[in-house]
Amino acid sequence: KNQVEQSPQSLIILEGKNCTLQCNYTVSPFSNLRWYKQDTGRGPVSLTIMTFSENTKSNGRYTATLDADTKQSSLHITASQLSDSASYICVVPDGGSYIPTFGRGTSLIVHP
Amino acid sequence: NAGVTQTPKFRILKIGQSMTLQCTQDMNHNYMYWYRQDPGMGLKLIYYSVGAGITDKGEVPNGYNVSRSTTEDFPLRLELAAPSQTSVYFCASRGHGGGQLNNEQFFGPGTRLTVL
Repeated sequence: KNQVEQSPQSLIILEGKNCTLQCNYTVSPFSNLRWYKQDTGRGPVSLTIMTFSENTKSNGRYTATLDADTKQSSLHITASQLSDSASYICVVPDGGSYIPTFGRGTSLIVHP
Repeated sequence: NAGVTQTPKFRILKIGQSMTLQCTQDMNHNYMYWYRQDPGMGLKLIYYSVGAGITDKGEVPNGYNVSRSTTEDFPLRLELAAPSQTSVYFCASRGHGGGQLNNEQFFGPGTRLTVL
């Protein structure tokens, strides 16, 4: 069964600090992986997509990495802001279908 | 574009009541999905549709029904509400074509349902 595991489950950091969220997957065949941000009370919104051939991609203060050999991805947030407080969800599509596999998410709280 | 809209935002039901959660998208997307999200848990797929007239079960379909008579609308029906259906429900859509990279899902704001 395809699985997406995220760690940590929750994280509390001070404003201005950096943090890294992890995602391990066993989805096969693999073609790409997305990170979504879900603010409290809202639906998830895509942050970035990582394809099989990409190692690193930045989107402002967010940097995603992908190691397809070890089946791991990370999302690094630099100089955190209060608005970064949210749940971050790793999603990997099942290569042969329209059904993505969702991780449980990492809940990030940024304190002033 | 309004994107994906859902109504209602909140609803309280009594056990055994029925209701329909509405979902509409204006992006001409073929694929639409219904998820439920319980506290501290990931999104679980209830039903999905790959086009008008075509629906299929997801991971947790029991107690729910769907229909897809138009491209825009994908309502979710709860026939006999149970406390286990207390959750936040999200509708999502995605485009077709463009290969696997065109798999971004666009989510609605959610419906918070409580069954007492």
